[in-house]
Amino acid sequence: DTGVSQDPRHKITKRGQNVTFRCDPISEHNRLYWYRQTLGQGPEFLTYFQNEAQLEKSRLLSDRFSAERPKGSFSTLEIQRTEQGDSAMYLCASSSGGTSGLIYEQYFGPGTRLTVT
Amino acid sequence: EDQVTQSPEALRLQEGESSSLNCSYTVSGLRGLFWYRQDPGKGPEFLFTLYSAGEEKEKERLKATLTKKESFLHITAPKPEDSATYLCAVQAKNAGNNRKLIWGLGTSLAVNP
Repeated sequence: DTGVSQDPRHKITKRGQNVTFRCDPISEHNRLYWYRQTLGQGPEFLTYFQNEAQLEKSRLLSDRFSAERPKGSFSTLEIQRTEQGDSAMYLCASSSGGTSGLIYEQYFGPGTRLTVT
Repeated sequence: EDQVTQSPEALRLQEGESSSLNCSYTVSGLRGLFWYRQDPGKGPEFLFTLYSAGEEKEKERLKATLTKKESFLHITAPKPEDSATYLCAVQAKNAGNNRKLIWGLGTSLAVNP
């Protein structure tokens, strides 16, 4: 098992451009989370998938953000019309879990660092 | 409002000098409390999960404890490689927050040789 992987590791884009990030979770994990983290802050929850279903999305997230997890495997996070405030580390995590809603330990990828110029 | 507060923000220790990090939480019912370690430029690494007051877990030089209002991460005889940011996160029973973790800002620990 190679753990959670994310691609790309770094992305520099100009304001107004669209960007897409990919996350490959641990293969047997059915839950997948996206977070955003800025310097000196804890991870900020963005969205959560159980298998292919997106069960939760942060109310703070604008309509410019969208995520998919086709077939319950890898996931993509797209940011449209990027703004300078979108500059951050985008983290993906995966975990196992059933239908009880209890959160289990999450395994994080290395993150994608986005810089919007 | 569900909230997690970690203290101190930063801590500098000499190698071998034991200490404790604090995570206090205000949530409408606790389902679980998590400790993670994060090295610069990397994703957080899972350390412990605690579910009920009185529970304790240990791993090498680290020991996590839980009460009804807070958790402590005790570091015994730390080494320079323990230098990292330690993050605390909570899953609440609140219907609006029960599918996601609420994170603290972390404690940045530096251990000098």
